[in-house]
Amino acid sequence: QQQVKQSPQSLIVQKGGIPIINCAYENTAFDYFPWYQQFPGKGPALLIAIRPDVSEKKEGRFTISFNKSAKQFSLHIMDSQPGDSATYFCAASRERGTASKLTFGTGTRLQVTL
Amino acid sequence: ETGVTQTPRHLVMGMTNKKSLKCEQHLGHNAMYWYKQSAKKPLELMFVYSLEERVENNSVPSRFSPECPNSSHLFLHLHTLQPEDSALYLCASSLGTAGNYGYTFGSGTRLTVV
Repeated sequence: QQQVKQSPQSLIVQKGGIPIINCAYENTAFDYFPWYQQFPGKGPALLIAIRPDVSEKKEGRFTISFNKSAKQFSLHIMDSQPGDSATYFCAASRERGTASKLTFGTGTRLQVTL
Repeated sequence: ETGVTQTPRHLVMGMTNKKSLKCEQHLGHNAMYWYKQSAKKPLELMFVYSLEERVENNSVPSRFSPECPNSSHLFLHLHTLQPEDSALYLCASSLGTAGNYGYTFGSGTRLTVV
């Protein structure tokens, strides 16, 4: 049972476009929702994260929109650049104890063309 | 480099071999994780160590055996693997839960079982 569903699987946009990646979760106990960016040959790196007490968070060109009632969240990349070409993973966790298990989506491969 | 170092970067092993993957972090983190990354599948959590104690074993076959001798080092011992175990194995660390500062991932070990 996949607890975090991510779409689309791949995305091609032109430079300056606004790619949007969507995720839906099932477990209402989740209370932390990060996005990770992965370049070829590297491990994923934290990009931006949100908690369910806010509906939007913006960091530079990256924005997370969060809809608690729909159990959905999305990543928007403003003014996308070729350097943003990477695989993006959404994730979710329940923040308890001394460590937490991040449950990841299947990833979206983004290509930004000139 | 992210501060989490994994060795070797690539490993080819036969089904009867025994090998070990190594992960090292000097970030002062107190939780460490093993994830398996296969194409078109979510990152799969394998093991979680918090304060050097294993707190999660996600129904991983016994042919995978983790070891955490101290808070800076994590090993994954491999024996009698199957071809379907071929994947990218990622180590991550965190300071407490993921929601504090996120996970820091290593670049992974690309494992091929022949």
